[in-house]
Amino acid sequence: GIQVEQSPPDLILQEGANSTLRCNFSDSVNNLQWFHQNPWGQLINLFYIPSGTKQNGRLSATTVATERYSLLYISSSQTTDSGVYFCAVAVGSNYQLIWGAGTKLIIKP
Amino acid sequence: DAGVIQSPRHEVTEMGQEVTLRCKPISGHDYLFWYRQTMMRGLELLIYFNNNVPIDDSGMPEDRFSAKMPNASFSTLKIQPSEPRDSAVYFCASSLERNTEAFFGQGTRLTVV
Repeated sequence: GIQVEQSPPDLILQEGANSTLRCNFSDSVNNLQWFHQNPWGQLINLFYIPSGTKQNGRLSATTVATERYSLLYISSSQTTDSGVYFCAVAVGSNYQLIWGAGTKLIIKP
Repeated sequence: DAGVIQSPRHEVTEMGQEVTLRCKPISGHDYLFWYRQTMMRGLELLIYFNNNVPIDDSGMPEDRFSAKMPNASFSTLKIQPSEPRDSAVYFCASSLERNTEAFFGQGTRLTVV
């Protein structure tokens, strides 16, 4: 089955810093989503981005489907950005989202 | 729309008791998914419905688990009898179509003691 790898596994930054999170996948996908799981456990949709580039405030994402990776950019980090960032993909006619292991981000004040 | 709504947010129960988790999907979404999240196994798909019909329950761990969707706006996940190893966060999600964006509820944190 498809493999989804996220890097780095952990990231500790000072408030105000920028960061790039990466998601590599081993097959062509027709669904790719980025989620933020906050310290309270909520899964928050960030981007639905099987290809192309999107931006939402301080966050942006790019998926290069032909090269099988996606990047999540966080600029001017805030402490509320702390949590775990997940990438999830689906392939072909398969409905099931396959999840990466996540990147745990800690933003220090 | 208020998003996917789950209840209760937290549930603590004794081993052997029946537990029922509830979910209201986003109006108009044809697909509903139940996931379980644990530290050891991450997020696992338990079952999904299309137009209220269960399509694939291969992720349901045991016969103790059952799920229903009596109408387009309500689904339940039942565990009977519950065991300590069922302790996890259970998420419900819905999507408009099969491979479109999935939206998650706030989850139910289940603790079985």
